[in-house]
Amino acid sequence: AQKITQTQPGMFVQEKEAVTLDCTYDTSDPSYGLFWYKQPSSGEMIFLIYQGSYDQQNATEGRYSLNFQKARKSANLVISASQLGDSAMYFCAMRGAPERGNNRLAFGKGNQVVVIP
Amino acid sequence: NAGVTQTPKFRILKIGQSMTLQCAQDMNHNYMYWYRQDPGMGLKLIYYSVGAGITDKGEVPNGYNVSRSTTEDFPLRLELAAPSQTSVYFCASSYSTGEGGYTFGSGTRLTVV
Repeated sequence: AQKITQTQPGMFVQEKEAVTLDCTYDTSDPSYGLFWYKQPSSGEMIFLIYQGSYDQQNATEGRYSLNFQKARKSANLVISASQLGDSAMYFCAMRGAPERGNNRLAFGKGNQVVVIP
Repeated sequence: NAGVTQTPKFRILKIGQSMTLQCAQDMNHNYMYWYRQDPGMGLKLIYYSVGAGITDKGEVPNGYNVSRSTTEDFPLRLELAAPSQTSVYFCASSYSTGEGGYTFGSGTRLTVV
């Protein structure tokens, strides 16, 4: 079974600054995928970024980057140049090995981010 | 593209009533999932399906039932609604490899009173 841990309290971030959201995980699967989702106050789940366990480089998508440290089992999200629209809950999620039929996403409890002008 | 469509968006149920939450996807994804999200928490898996005719329990299946008669549709049935089922319900779909990510519906906010 996969386990995702997000323990940071709610964060206030100054506009235009960078913010790092912590995520640690645990799994026994040899291959897995890590995801970050954004949930604004409107409630929808917005996919941000994906990192495969065998990917050699850290994933990046615009202002989002994933600091993947496999040995530490961590997959931290970095948001650069924060914008007011980045205020939201952020969820780290993991799926196991599809070849084992373990394709279900497991979610952490989320990190609340509030960007202040 | 519609993606994943959930209906209704909001619903209030009385204790003991039943209802079906509808979910449809038009991306030909073989995997579909139902999650619930309690206030201030992450999403927990209720049921999932790897293809038409095949369903399996997730982390919190009690009080729910599902069926998957077609690739496109994956309804979630609540029998004998209880206050503990007050939550936001999300349907999602994906390819079997997980590549391309998981697409979520916009959610159904259910209140049981």
